[in-house]
Amino acid sequence: RKEVEQDPGPFNVPEGATVAFNCTYSNSASQSFFWYRQDCRKEPKLLMSVYSSGNEDGRFTAQLNRASQYISLLIRDSKLSDSATYLCVVDSSGYALNFGKGTSLLVTP
Amino acid sequence: NAGVTQTPKFRVLKTGQSMTLLCAQDMNHEYMYWYRQDPGMGLRLIHYSVGEGTTAKGEVPDGYNVSRLKKQNFLLGLESAAPSQTSVYFCASSPRVPDVLHFGNGTRLTVT
Repeated sequence: RKEVEQDPGPFNVPEGATVAFNCTYSNSASQSFFWYRQDCRKEPKLLMSVYSSGNEDGRFTAQLNRASQYISLLIRDSKLSDSATYLCVVDSSGYALNFGKGTSLLVTP
Repeated sequence: NAGVTQTPKFRVLKTGQSMTLLCAQDMNHEYMYWYRQDPGMGLRLIHYSVGEGTTAKGEVPDGYNVSRLKKQNFLLGLESAAPSQTSVYFCASSPRVPDVLHFGNGTRLTVT
């Protein structure tokens, strides 16, 4: 079983829609969680860290459910510029981070 | 601030040729990583380093070697390139673990 699993999508949504991505992880000892954004042919960039209490940054909200071992990302009022691949990232209890394969989002006019 | 710089940006190799990818960071980070990204496979860790003079294997180390002679540089070598090594290679660094990774722009390598 892959350590971090995501629905690959693609998610096609109209501008202004709300969209949610989920990610599950297998290592119950993981302590750090992140969402990264990757634009086509570019490097991944941190979107937000995910805290136990949940956190919000503008239109983006991240939640962590340790009991069920999943994290989520909610995007409200989608913009065309939100079109990208969203990577779920979880620490591996070692020196590296494990990346999910990513969820592709396309926001259409 | 340059951040993490990778060279070259693009390269085409013939099977059996060798090359070295260079990663340089100016943030004084202890930890450095090499990932490869292939369609449908996500980012996979090749090798990493927890400090100057150290290296360790990641998820897919076969066919690659690395060196970290200076804290700011992390080199990835392909001794005998194979078509299966056609990929996009990303270098990243972080100040501590676990923590946010800072990525370079990537190197697009094609092996024919």
